[in-house]
Amino acid sequence: QSALTQPPSVSGSPGQSVTISCTGTSSDVGSYNRVSWYQQPPGTAPKLMIYEVSNRPSGVPDRFSGSKSGNTASLTISGLQAEDEADYYCSSYTSSSTFNFGTGTKVTVL
Amino acid sequence: QVQLVQSGAEVKKPGASVKVSCKASGYTFTSYYMHWVRQAPGQGLEWMGIINPSGGSTSYAQKLQGRVTMTRDTSTSTVYMELSSLRSEDTAVYYCARRGYDILTGYYYYMDVWGKGTTVTVSS
Repeated sequence: QSALTQPPSVSGSPGQSVTISCTGTSSDVGSYNRVSWYQQPPGTAPKLMIYEVSNRPSGVPDRFSGSKSGNTASLTISGLQAEDEADYYCSSYTSSSTFNFGTGTKVTVL
Repeated sequence: QVQLVQSGAEVKKPGASVKVSCKASGYTFTSYYMHWVRQAPGQGLEWMGIINPSGGSTSYAQKLQGRVTMTRDTSTSTVYMELSSLRSEDTAVYYCARRGYDILTGYYYYMDVWGKGTTVTVSS
């Protein structure tokens, strides 16, 4: 059960776009379109932002979008806002019928 | 509305066991699997396992096999996670999270509703 690799931090000014990568292997991200993304502001529980690579739950702004290429999934936040400052985690189903989470990325709005 | 209400914080000594509860409301309890996820202080999320509240079947992370047990009580719509032989590395916030289900696509490999978390501290 190895963690998926994410950059420790990304930052951007309000209105800019930022992209967070999530790199796994052919046993998880590369094998399935079963990648989800979670937002976690400090001291709170995670919140689902994207599921099945690119689907947004109702209530999540369309500024959030997801994609995948090979063993790497990505989350893009367009039109960055102050309220987007949080930790973000990716997750993938694996060939062992388990789930891996990413190492987490702190998004800072400058 | 869908809610997952978890039990309160626990302090345990090394070697002891802890049992955390998660009471579901606002939906049909037996229709959605439940995950357990933990987060050590300042660390990332770690998947612990999943339980089917309908039949009680479970699947656990290999790392925790033999120490973790997930159960459910359908009469109270509550799932439980028990972790035994506690060590300091088990100090974490423990979350229950409902397995999502997209009616349109049939997708369910994600966690759509999370509890607020239960802090478990293991210290002598």
